[in-house]
Amino acid sequence: GAVVSQHPSWVICKSGTSVKIECRSLDFQATTMFWYRQFPKQSLMLMATSNEGSKATYEQGVEKDKFLINHASLTLSTLTVTSAHPEDSSFYICSARDLRDRGHEQYFGPGTRLTVT
Amino acid sequence: EDQVTQSPEALRLQEGESSSLNCSYTVSGLRGLFWYRQDPGKGPEFLFTLYSAGEEKEKERLKATLTKKESFLHITAPKPEDSATYLCAAGREGGNKLTFGTGTQLKVEL
Repeated sequence: GAVVSQHPSWVICKSGTSVKIECRSLDFQATTMFWYRQFPKQSLMLMATSNEGSKATYEQGVEKDKFLINHASLTLSTLTVTSAHPEDSSFYICSARDLRDRGHEQYFGPGTRLTVT
Repeated sequence: EDQVTQSPEALRLQEGESSSLNCSYTVSGLRGLFWYRQDPGKGPEFLFTLYSAGEEKEKERLKATLTKKESFLHITAPKPEDSATYLCAAGREGGNKLTFGTGTQLKVEL
């Protein structure tokens, strides 16, 4: 149980284009999903918290107009990187929380490697 | 501000050589202390949640323990397949977020 998928697993795009990443909870309902960014050999940096049916809450320093998050259903959240630039190249990971779990554990997807050329 | 510190940053063990990883935390009102394993190029894999001091959990060669200030991940007789980065994270009561440590990169050699 508690499986989270991400698609695509890797993507290469040209500077100025937009890229959409999907995060799905496959066997549970996730009222809350989280989007992280990870640089090489560093820990996870939380970008935003996404609640089903409401606007995402962004961490300080994260541009909400650049990183658009939509959480349209209890099993799907999307992150769209708009007008991507090379500095947006990174490993993006989503996680989902099953509220039935006592500790509100977050279960992570496999990640998406974005390269902007 | 919540803080989580892990040590050592990197650890190299011989197969069968047991050791412990440390996670020190400063969180006001701990909801849970979480351990994850992350392999290169992949998302973190959930291992354990600990809720209160004195609690212990085991899974195969791993055992996690918790005190009021730190958590330990004990690895007994490790194998090369245990090589990974181990992350700990703390969640605050009433909060959504997890505060992550920077991880311990473990390499187990034959």
